[in-house]
Amino acid sequence: EVQLVESGGVVVQPGGSLRLSCAASGFTFDDYAMHWVRQAPGKGLEWVSLISWDGGSTYYADSVKGRFTISRDNSKNSLYLQMNSLRAEDTALYYCAKGPNYYGSGNWFDPWGQGTLVTVSS
Amino acid sequence: QSALTQPASVSGSPGQSITISCTGTSSDVGGYNYVSWYQQHPGKAPKLMIYDVSNRPSGVSNRFSGSKSGNTASLTISGLQAEDEADYYCSSYTSSSYVFGTGTKVTVL
Repeated sequence: EVQLVESGGVVVQPGGSLRLSCAASGFTFDDYAMHWVRQAPGKGLEWVSLISWDGGSTYYADSVKGRFTISRDNSKNSLYLQMNSLRAEDTALYYCAKGPNYYGSGNWFDPWGQGTLVTVSS
Repeated sequence: QSALTQPASVSGSPGQSITISCTGTSSDVGGYNYVSWYQQHPGKAPKLMIYDVSNRPSGVSNRFSGSKSGNTASLTISGLQAEDEADYYCSSYTSSSYVFGTGTKVTVL
């Protein structure tokens, strides 16, 4: 069974930093690109970032570019999101999701983890 | 990266069919056949319902179908059931990034 488990969400002050993790199992992790998607409380989904299967290519939403860094460790089947200069508007449930395969096929999000909550507040 | 436009709410009686629209631009929905749809029940993670405009993943009911015309994609739920009451989001690939729709709350009357 494919499983994604996020962790690392906490309450952090504005301007602070945080690193989220996503542990993957049940599939060949290094065959797939991986996404981060967030959802502010009571709001819709917002795509955050994508990393290629080998970590060689990364992509970001304009809202986080220059502040967030996506990375992965294929030896540990793990995905990460380093979040710096956090703002109140970054408060959200952060999901990781499996993305396109090695060949670039699969421009959808499936499956999703259960999410980890990041709260930016003083 | 503006969100795709969806109606805020759609409702229907059990057994009826409803359609949710998802309007973008020629840079996203209209430019690629990479539209997907997600169902999200309260407190749960989103679930993939349709990918590549009209394909259903294994295990998803054939009551769910997708289509696209120009810059607008649509999700149709036929034979509406109580368990279909949820939030629905569309998504599209758009030149090295992705965009989600504003979300639609489906209510079964």
